[in-house]
Amino acid sequence: QVQLQESGPGLVKPSETLSLTCTVSGYSISSGYYWGWMRQPPGKGLEWIGSIYHSGSTYYNPSLKSRVTISADTSKNEFSLKLSSVTAADTAVYYCTRDQGYWGQGTLVTVSS
Amino acid sequence: DVVMTQSPLSLPVTLGQPASISCRSSQSLVHSDGHTYLNWFHQRPGQSPRRLFYKVSNRDSGVPDRFSASGSGTDFTLKISWVEAEDVGVYYCMQGAHWPLTFGGGTKVEIK
Repeated sequence: QVQLQESGPGLVKPSETLSLTCTVSGYSISSGYYWGWMRQPPGKGLEWIGSIYHSGSTYYNPSLKSRVTISADTSKNEFSLKLSSVTAADTAVYYCTRDQGYWGQGTLVTVSS
Repeated sequence: DVVMTQSPLSLPVTLGQPASISCRSSQSLVHSDGHTYLNWFHQRPGQSPRRLFYKVSNRDSGVPDRFSASGSGTDFTLKISWVEAEDVGVYYCMQGAHWPLTFGGGTKVEIK
C-alpha cells in the first residue's frame, strides 16, 4: 500500500531554510498524481503549501511562492520541500500527501533560536 | 483565491443522532474538465487528516456508509446519519478546482 514518511529537522532557526523530505513507498512518484505539502500551525487549520506533478510541473501557494521550492528525486522515490527565510509563523506540523488521498504522519517543525 | 466557508464552527451532537456540515465556496468548483473538485476530510486529535470524499460524493475506501456527501457549484454538505464516538474531531472541506488549493476553517464535532 502507498505510504508517505516525512523527515527533516524538527528545529530551525529564524531566517534559515526549512528542508523536509517525503519518502514514498508502494507507488512510483513518476507514475502519476500530484505530490504535495500541507502544513498546520498548532491548534489551527490546514494550509496548502505546494505540489509537484509526476511530470515535474510545480504549483505553489502565492502566499509562500517567493520562499518555496518543491522538487523530486525519482531515483529515490522521494520529493522535498524547501522554505527559506523562516519565521515563528512557519512553526507547524508539515504533511506530505499524494493528491490528498494519502498523507504522511506529519512532522512538527519549530522555528526558534 | 477561492474562499471556503464552513458552518457551524462547532457541532455538539448526541450519540446516535444525525449531523450535518455545510461548506460554501466563493466561486464555482466546476473545473474546465467538467468535474467538481470538492473533498472532505476528518482529522482526529493528534492524527493526520483522512480524506472521506473526493469530487463531491465519491467515498474513499473504508469510509462507513453512515457518511454521505452531496452538493454542486458552490454549495456542499457532509452528513452523518448517526454519530458514533469515533466520529469526533475536526472536519474540513477543501477545493481542488482552482490554484491555490484552499481549505475551509474546519468544523469541530464533539459528543454532548
